[in-house]
Amino acid sequence: AQRVTQPEKLLSVFKGAPVELKCNYSYSGSPELFWYVQYSRQRLQLLLRHISRESIKGFTADLNKGETSFHLKKPFAQEEDSAMYYCAATGGYQKVTFGTGTKLQVIP
Amino acid sequence: GAGVSQSPSNKVTEKGKDVELRCDPISGHTALYWYRQSLGQGLEFLIYFQGNSAPDKSGLPSDRFSAERTGGSVSTLTIQRTQQEDSAVYLCATGGQRFTEAFFGQGTRLTVV
Repeated sequence: AQRVTQPEKLLSVFKGAPVELKCNYSYSGSPELFWYVQYSRQRLQLLLRHISRESIKGFTADLNKGETSFHLKKPFAQEEDSAMYYCAATGGYQKVTFGTGTKLQVIP
Repeated sequence: GAGVSQSPSNKVTEKGKDVELRCDPISGHTALYWYRQSLGQGLEFLIYFQGNSAPDKSGLPSDRFSAERTGGSVSTLTIQRTQQEDSAVYLCATGGQRFTEAFFGQGTRLTVV
């Protein structure tokens, strides 16, 4: 079965510290991976997708097929990064599967 | 409209009453998802529509929950005989036939008293 796992419900880091939000997936074939973010009182929105190999708001995510992981990283956390983060995977024409989410709390 | 629209934004209902939540997708989007987000919790998948295919209802928590999508456009999520544990934010998301991005609505906050 298709599955996306985010092992941490809550991650607290100090401002300026590095951030790593973990995501592991179990998928047949070659899935496409995404990170979504939900800031307080805002809609869930796409943050980045692995196929674009982009850096958004200082965040990057590398797809590791060997470890079936797609961890989200940022070298220096900012207070405005505090939000709920969701990892997602899809086989393209298949239903997208979201992880259960990780709440990132950046402490000033 | 430019984005996914959900109505109402907030709904307070008495336990035992039926409620209907509406989702207006982005024009042309064939995929439509309903999720539930309980306080402090993550996303819980409810149901998935894709074009004219039979919907994936595997996430519906009980037979009190049902959803329709008329004409491949607007969708309605119905909760019958609401219970207090149904209180949550219900999110709708839509996308193309081939998934590239899901666009979320602002959600409906349901409170069952």
